[in-house]
Amino acid sequence: KNEVEQSPQNLTAQEGEFITINCSYSVGISALHWLQQHPGGGIVSLFMLSSGKKKHGRLIATINIQEKHSSLHITASHPRDSAVYICAVGGAQKLVFGQGTRLTINP
Amino acid sequence: DAMVIQNPRYQVTQFGKPVTLSCSQTLNHNVMYWYQQKSSQAPKLLFHYYDKDFNNEADTPDNFQSRRPNTSFCFLDIRSPGLGDAAMYLCATSSAGGYYEQYFGPGTRLTVT
Repeated sequence: KNEVEQSPQNLTAQEGEFITINCSYSVGISALHWLQQHPGGGIVSLFMLSSGKKKHGRLIATINIQEKHSSLHITASHPRDSAVYICAVGGAQKLVFGQGTRLTINP
Repeated sequence: DAMVIQNPRYQVTQFGKPVTLSCSQTLNHNVMYWYQQKSSQAPKLLFHYYDKDFNNEADTPDNFQSRRPNTSFCFLDIRSPGLGDAAMYLCATSSAGGYYEQYFGPGTRLTVT
């Protein structure tokens, strides 16, 4: 069993829909990271959080430390949100990555 | 302003011919990472430097080496590339590890012919 599990692995939705991507982890962490990777592109850090909730534009990330669970939400989804979203948990010096969620938003 | 720069963006090498990938950063971060990412897979950490301290992952092949001559630069050397080494190689930096935001470079896509 992977230390970081994401669900779903693939998600297709229509423009405007509310999107939720889930991440569960089994290791102790210092912080949890949500990353975005567009096809053929580099990785961009969206959020880093160790408690509660963060919001940036249409993106919201939450974490429940007791349940070892985090969610990434996208409101009013747009085709440009199509990308792979990766959850990673941070230890002392390095990250442990989930397998990623491939999101496709159709116009 | 580019913060983590990787050169070249695309590299083609022949089977068995040594190749070096370059990463530089303008963030003055202590930690630099090299990841290998194959199609539709999560990045796989090869090794990282905390300052001058080198940390090799247990499953990183001996074929892969790294150098960090100063804070700004880090190199990935592949001594004898095989077809299985074709991948995207990502460099990332962090001020002090997993509790801090990681900044990724654009990656170098390596093709082995």
